[in-house]
Amino acid sequence: QVQLQESGPGLLKPSQTLALTCTVSGGSVSSGGYYWSWIRQHPGKGLEWIGFISYSGSNYSIAPLKSRVTMSVDKVKNQFSLKMTSVTAADTAVYFCARENGYYPTTWVDYWGHGIVVTVSS
Amino acid sequence: DIQMTQSPSSLSASVGDGVTITCRASQGILNDVAWYQQTPGKAPKLLIYAGSSLQNGVPSRFRGSGSGTDFTLAITSLQPEDFAIYYCLQHNSYPRTFGQGTRVEFK
Repeated sequence: QVQLQESGPGLLKPSQTLALTCTVSGGSVSSGGYYWSWIRQHPGKGLEWIGFISYSGSNYSIAPLKSRVTMSVDKVKNQFSLKMTSVTAADTAVYFCARENGYYPTTWVDYWGHGIVVTVSS
Repeated sequence: DIQMTQSPSSLSASVGDGVTITCRASQGILNDVAWYQQTPGKAPKLLIYAGSSLQNGVPSRFRGSGSGTDFTLAITSLQPEDFAIYYCLQHNSYPRTFGQGTRVEFK
């Protein structure tokens, strides 16, 4: 069974860069047919899909974050990553990494990491 | 972007009751909707994908239906572990978008 685990700093100051890594076990980021996503949940709020990256590096991120977000895949380490520059308090959230499965482009999220709490505060 | 309007935002029910949650898409999305269950402090769990396909291991009391713009998640005979927040997700086009969530509470 696929398992995903987020890692990274839990506390950042405004204007710093958030760097999160998701380690995949029980499966390979290089497997075709899967896409690797990031989703966040602001405190007490709903879910916001941030974007995805494929094993080949093709990616998509939502318009409001596009200029600040970079995603990458490390096939050797079986990981994928999210970087978000110039964070503000509005980026405080639980960040989930996830796998999308199905038939591109209508893939759905089937596996989630446990989530990592990221707080932006001076 | 496709907007997913989910209702109700919350509902109260008892163990053994049946409940229905709906999502309406701002445009037609075939049957490309998934449903998730989230309990406090946990990641969401996939229940239904492609409108009505039950994810492996999910009890058959969860049923998804709908196509086009209107979708429904029905839970028959609520169990204690079903009291949670439920979200729909449209997986028809990018960006993916979630409904606002429905909290199912004990009556």
